[in-house]
Amino acid sequence: QQQVKQSPQSLIVQKGGISIINCAYENTAFDYFPWYQQFPGKGPALLIAIRPDVSEKKEGRFTISFNKSAKQFSLHIMDSQPGDSATYFCAASGNAGNMLTFGGGTRLMVKP
Amino acid sequence: DTGVSQDPRHKITKRGQNVTFRCDPISEHNRLYWYRQTLGQGPEFLTYFQNEAQLEKSRLLSDRFSAERPKGSFSTLEIQRTEQGDSAMYLCASSLVRSGGTQYFGPGTRLLVL
Repeated sequence: QQQVKQSPQSLIVQKGGISIINCAYENTAFDYFPWYQQFPGKGPALLIAIRPDVSEKKEGRFTISFNKSAKQFSLHIMDSQPGDSATYFCAASGNAGNMLTFGGGTRLMVKP
Repeated sequence: DTGVSQDPRHKITKRGQNVTFRCDPISEHNRLYWYRQTLGQGPEFLTYFQNEAQLEKSRLLSDRFSAERPKGSFSTLEIQRTEQGDSAMYLCASSLVRSGGTQYFGPGTRLLVL
């Protein structure tokens, strides 16, 4: 059962453009929503995370928007750069052990 | 380097053989997690430890899999009688209980079962 659905599966953006990746979750017990960036052959690296008490969080070029009522959250990458080309995963947790449930991933390509 | 480390980085084995992977978490992180990631998919939770206690195991962790964290520091994941379906990237992550869920991942061990 996929508890976190991520879209799109792949995304091509021009350099300087905005990349938008969306996730939807089902489990209302989730209360922590991180985004990870993964390059080929590497482990996922934490990018930014949000909790449901805020609707938006911004760190540099990366912004998370969170809609609790719709059970959706999204990652916006402003001024996308070729170096941002990677696979992005949304995730969620909300149990005592904080085990992460990941989305299926979005492969982003930023064209120069 | 004070990040999460994993060894080996790559492992090729024949079906039926046993393999063991090691994970060294960030120093003083009391939680350690194992995930499995197949090609083109997101990581899937396998099991986690708080200090030396294994507190939860996923249904994905069949009886051929065993994990230990004997002294609450490094952890090992053993797969017995490997099958081709075990081919995947095995990821380790660690966190502090008080960090509220922030997990830091290692580079992973890529397993190929022939």
